[in-house]
Amino acid sequence: GAGVSQTPSNKVTEKGKYVELRCDPISGHTALYWYRQSLGQGPEFLIYFQGTGAADDSGLPNDRFFAVRPEGSVSTLKIQRTERGDSAVYLCASSAGNPHRQFFGPGTRLTVL
Amino acid sequence: GQQLNQSPQSMFIQEGEDVSMNCTSSSIFNTWLWYKQDPGEGPVLLIALYKAGELTSNGRLTAQFGITRKDSFLNISASIPSDVGIYFCAGQANGNQFYFGTGTSLTVIP
Repeated sequence: GAGVSQTPSNKVTEKGKYVELRCDPISGHTALYWYRQSLGQGPEFLIYFQGTGAADDSGLPNDRFFAVRPEGSVSTLKIQRTERGDSAVYLCASSAGNPHRQFFGPGTRLTVL
Repeated sequence: GQQLNQSPQSMFIQEGEDVSMNCTSSSIFNTWLWYKQDPGEGPVLLIALYKAGELTSNGRLTAQFGITRKDSFLNISASIPSDVGIYFCAGQANGNQFYFGTGTSLTVIP
Protein backbone atom coordinates (compact mmCIF):
# COMPACT_ATOMS: atom_id res chain seq x y z
CA GLY A 1 0.00 0.00 0.00
CA ALA A 2 0.96 3.65 -0.18
CA GLY A 3 0.87 4.37 3.54
CA VAL A 4 2.80 3.34 6.62
CA SER A 5 1.91 -0.17 7.69
CA GLN A 6 2.43 -1.80 11.06
CA THR A 7 2.21 -5.42 12.09
CA PRO A 8 0.71 -6.98 14.01
CA SER A 9 -2.31 -4.74 14.54
CA ASN A 10 -2.84 -6.33 17.94
CA LYS A 11 -0.48 -8.23 20.20
CA VAL A 12 -1.35 -9.87 23.49
CA THR A 13 1.48 -11.23 25.54
CA GLU A 14 2.26 -12.29 29.08
CA LYS A 15 4.35 -10.37 31.53
CA GLY A 16 8.02 -11.17 31.10
CA LYS A 17 7.80 -12.17 27.43
CA TYR A 18 9.69 -10.64 24.50
CA VAL A 19 7.84 -8.91 21.66
CA GLU A 20 8.73 -7.43 18.30
CA LEU A 21 6.67 -4.81 16.53
CA ARG A 22 7.23 -4.09 12.87
CA CYS A 23 6.91 -0.89 10.85
CA ASP A 24 6.98 -0.56 7.07
CA PRO A 25 7.42 3.11 6.20
CA ILE A 26 6.35 4.82 3.01
CA SER A 27 8.76 3.86 0.25
CA GLY A 28 11.59 6.36 -0.05
CA HIS A 29 11.04 7.98 3.34
CA THR A 30 14.39 8.32 5.06
CA ALA A 31 13.14 9.32 8.49
CA LEU A 32 11.25 6.96 10.79
CA TYR A 33 9.79 7.61 14.23
CA TRP A 34 8.36 5.41 16.95
CA TYR A 35 5.84 6.70 19.47
CA ARG A 36 3.92 5.15 22.34
CA GLN A 37 0.34 6.21 23.02
CA SER A 38 -1.28 5.26 26.29
CA LEU A 39 -5.04 5.31 26.69
CA GLY A 40 -6.38 8.85 26.79
CA GLN A 41 -3.00 10.40 26.07
CA GLY A 42 -1.17 11.86 23.14
CA PRO A 43 1.68 10.03 21.42
CA GLU A 44 4.98 10.03 23.31
CA PHE A 45 8.23 10.10 21.35
CA LEU A 46 10.45 7.02 21.66
CA ILE A 47 13.10 7.01 18.93
CA TYR A 48 13.97 8.60 15.60
CA PHE A 49 15.93 7.04 12.72
CA GLN A 50 17.53 8.88 9.86
CA GLY A 51 18.46 6.16 7.40
CA THR A 52 19.86 3.16 9.23
CA GLY A 53 21.06 4.93 12.35
CA ALA A 54 19.18 5.91 15.46
CA ALA A 55 19.66 9.66 15.39
CA ASP A 56 17.79 10.19 18.66
CA ASP A 57 16.80 7.43 21.08
CA SER A 58 16.33 9.67 24.10
CA GLY A 59 12.64 8.78 24.37
CA LEU A 60 13.16 5.08 25.03
CA PRO A 61 11.98 4.59 28.62
CA ASN A 62 14.61 2.03 29.67
CA ASP A 63 17.00 -0.57 28.35
CA ARG A 64 14.24 -3.13 27.81
CA PHE A 65 13.30 -1.15 24.70
CA PHE A 66 15.37 -1.33 21.56
CA ALA A 67 14.74 -0.54 17.90
CA VAL A 68 16.58 -1.32 14.68
CA ARG A 69 16.37 -0.30 11.07
CA PRO A 70 19.14 -2.33 9.43
CA GLU A 71 18.53 -1.45 5.79
CA GLY A 72 17.08 2.01 6.22
CA SER A 73 13.53 0.94 5.48
CA VAL A 74 11.64 -1.50 7.73
CA SER A 75 12.06 -0.97 11.45
CA THR A 76 11.46 -3.29 14.37
CA LEU A 77 10.76 -2.15 17.91
CA LYS A 78 11.82 -4.80 20.42
CA ILE A 79 10.65 -4.98 24.00
CA GLN A 80 12.25 -7.42 26.42
CA ARG A 81 10.76 -8.70 29.68
CA THR A 82 7.48 -6.95 29.03
CA GLU A 83 5.64 -5.37 31.94
CA ARG A 84 1.94 -4.54 32.30
CA GLY A 85 2.83 -0.86 32.11
CA ASP A 86 4.11 -1.40 28.56
CA SER A 87 0.52 -1.88 27.39
CA ALA A 88 -0.22 0.86 24.88
CA VAL A 89 -0.59 1.57 21.18
CA TYR A 90 2.80 1.80 19.50
CA LEU A 91 2.74 4.15 16.54
CA CYS A 92 5.24 4.42 13.75
CA ALA A 93 5.60 7.43 11.44
CA SER A 94 7.81 8.21 8.48
CA SER A 95 8.73 11.36 6.62
CA ALA A 96 10.60 12.22 3.46
CA GLY A 97 12.79 14.82 5.09
CA ASN A 98 10.56 17.46 6.56
CA PRO A 99 10.05 16.27 10.16
CA HIS A 100 6.83 18.25 10.34
CA ARG A 101 5.27 16.11 7.65
CA GLN A 102 5.14 12.78 9.41
CA PHE A 103 2.76 10.12 8.13
CA PHE A 104 1.56 7.79 10.84
CA GLY A 105 0.70 4.13 10.64
CA PRO A 106 -2.41 2.68 12.32
CA GLY A 107 -0.40 1.43 15.28
CA THR A 108 0.07 -1.86 17.09
CA ARG A 109 -2.02 -2.29 20.22
CA LEU A 110 0.12 -4.15 22.76
CA THR A 111 -1.54 -5.72 25.76
CA VAL A 112 0.61 -7.25 28.47
CA LEU A 113 -1.32 -9.53 30.80
CA GLY B 1 8.31 13.13 28.37
CA GLN B 2 6.71 16.52 28.32
CA GLN B 3 2.97 16.75 27.65
CA LEU B 4 1.15 19.81 26.51
CA ASN B 5 -2.15 20.79 28.11
CA GLN B 6 -5.15 20.90 25.83
CA SER B 7 -8.57 22.26 26.61
CA PRO B 8 -11.30 21.46 26.62
CA GLN B 9 -10.74 17.75 27.21
CA SER B 10 -13.98 16.96 25.36
CA MET B 11 -16.67 18.81 23.46
CA PHE B 12 -20.19 17.92 22.40
CA ILE B 13 -21.58 20.27 19.79
CA GLN B 14 -24.40 20.53 17.30
CA GLU B 15 -23.65 20.15 13.61
CA GLY B 16 -23.04 23.57 12.10
CA GLU B 17 -21.55 25.12 15.22
CA ASP B 18 -18.04 26.51 15.39
CA VAL B 19 -15.42 24.87 17.61
CA SER B 20 -12.45 26.34 19.44
CA MET B 21 -9.73 24.49 21.31
CA ASN B 22 -6.34 25.45 22.61
CA CYS B 23 -3.04 24.06 23.72
CA THR B 24 -0.59 25.47 26.25
CA SER B 25 2.93 24.67 27.28
CA SER B 26 5.35 25.80 29.95
CA SER B 27 8.09 25.77 27.31
CA ILE B 28 8.63 27.79 24.17
CA PHE B 29 8.20 25.98 20.87
CA ASN B 30 9.45 26.83 17.39
CA THR B 31 6.82 24.80 15.59
CA TRP B 32 3.22 23.93 16.41
CA LEU B 33 1.29 21.18 14.69
CA TRP B 34 -2.35 20.11 14.87
CA TYR B 35 -3.42 16.52 14.21
CA LYS B 36 -6.71 14.61 14.06
CA GLN B 37 -6.92 10.99 15.13
CA ASP B 38 -9.79 8.64 14.33
CA PRO B 39 -10.36 5.42 16.31
CA GLY B 40 -7.89 2.70 15.36
CA GLU B 41 -5.87 5.03 13.17
CA GLY B 42 -2.73 7.08 13.52
CA PRO B 43 -2.86 10.88 13.75
CA VAL B 44 -3.21 12.83 10.51
CA LEU B 45 -1.59 16.25 10.15
CA LEU B 46 -4.06 19.10 9.72
CA ILE B 47 -2.03 22.30 10.02
CA ALA B 48 1.60 23.25 10.67
CA LEU B 49 2.64 26.63 12.14
CA TYR B 50 6.20 27.94 12.02
CA LYS B 51 6.18 31.55 13.26
CA ALA B 52 4.87 33.30 16.34
CA GLY B 53 1.63 35.06 15.50
CA GLU B 54 1.12 33.02 12.33
CA LEU B 55 -2.48 32.33 11.36
CA THR B 56 -3.01 29.47 8.90
CA SER B 57 -6.15 27.98 7.39
CA ASN B 58 -6.93 24.62 5.86
CA GLY B 59 -10.50 24.63 4.60
CA ARG B 60 -12.80 25.11 7.59
CA LEU B 61 -9.86 24.82 9.99
CA THR B 62 -7.84 27.78 11.21
CA ALA B 63 -4.93 27.60 13.62
CA GLN B 64 -2.76 30.23 15.25
CA PHE B 65 0.74 30.17 16.70
CA GLY B 66 0.56 32.15 19.93
CA ILE B 67 2.67 35.29 20.31
CA THR B 68 4.30 33.95 23.46
CA ARG B 69 5.24 30.77 21.56
CA LYS B 70 3.80 28.83 24.46
CA ASP B 71 0.34 28.28 23.06
CA SER B 72 -1.67 27.55 19.96
CA PHE B 73 -5.33 27.59 19.00
CA LEU B 74 -7.43 25.60 16.56
CA ASN B 75 -10.83 26.67 15.28
CA ILE B 76 -13.24 24.62 13.19
CA SER B 77 -16.06 26.46 11.51
CA ALA B 78 -19.45 25.04 10.58
CA SER B 79 -18.76 21.60 12.04
CA ILE B 80 -19.94 18.49 10.22
CA PRO B 81 -20.30 14.88 11.46
CA SER B 82 -16.99 13.78 9.95
CA ASP B 83 -15.17 16.27 12.20
CA VAL B 84 -15.68 13.77 15.02
CA GLY B 85 -12.40 12.54 16.45
CA ILE B 86 -9.60 13.44 18.81
CA TYR B 87 -7.55 16.53 18.05
CA PHE B 88 -3.95 16.73 19.23
CA CYS B 89 -1.56 19.61 19.25
CA ALA B 90 2.17 18.96 19.05
CA GLY B 91 5.09 21.26 19.66
CA GLN B 92 8.71 21.12 18.63
CA ALA B 93 11.44 23.08 20.36
CA ASN B 94 14.74 21.94 18.90
CA GLY B 95 15.93 18.65 17.59
CA ASN B 96 13.67 15.86 16.48
CA GLN B 97 11.29 15.47 19.37
CA PHE B 98 7.67 16.45 19.10
CA TYR B 99 5.67 16.76 22.32
CA PHE B 100 2.00 15.97 21.99
CA GLY B 101 -0.94 17.37 23.91
CA THR B 102 -3.43 15.38 25.90
CA GLY B 103 -6.06 15.66 23.18
CA THR B 104 -9.52 17.18 22.74
CA SER B 105 -12.29 14.72 21.93
CA LEU B 106 -14.89 16.22 19.61
CA THR B 107 -18.41 14.83 19.18
CA VAL B 108 -20.71 16.40 16.59
CA ILE B 109 -24.40 15.78 17.04
CA PRO B 110 -26.30 15.75 13.72
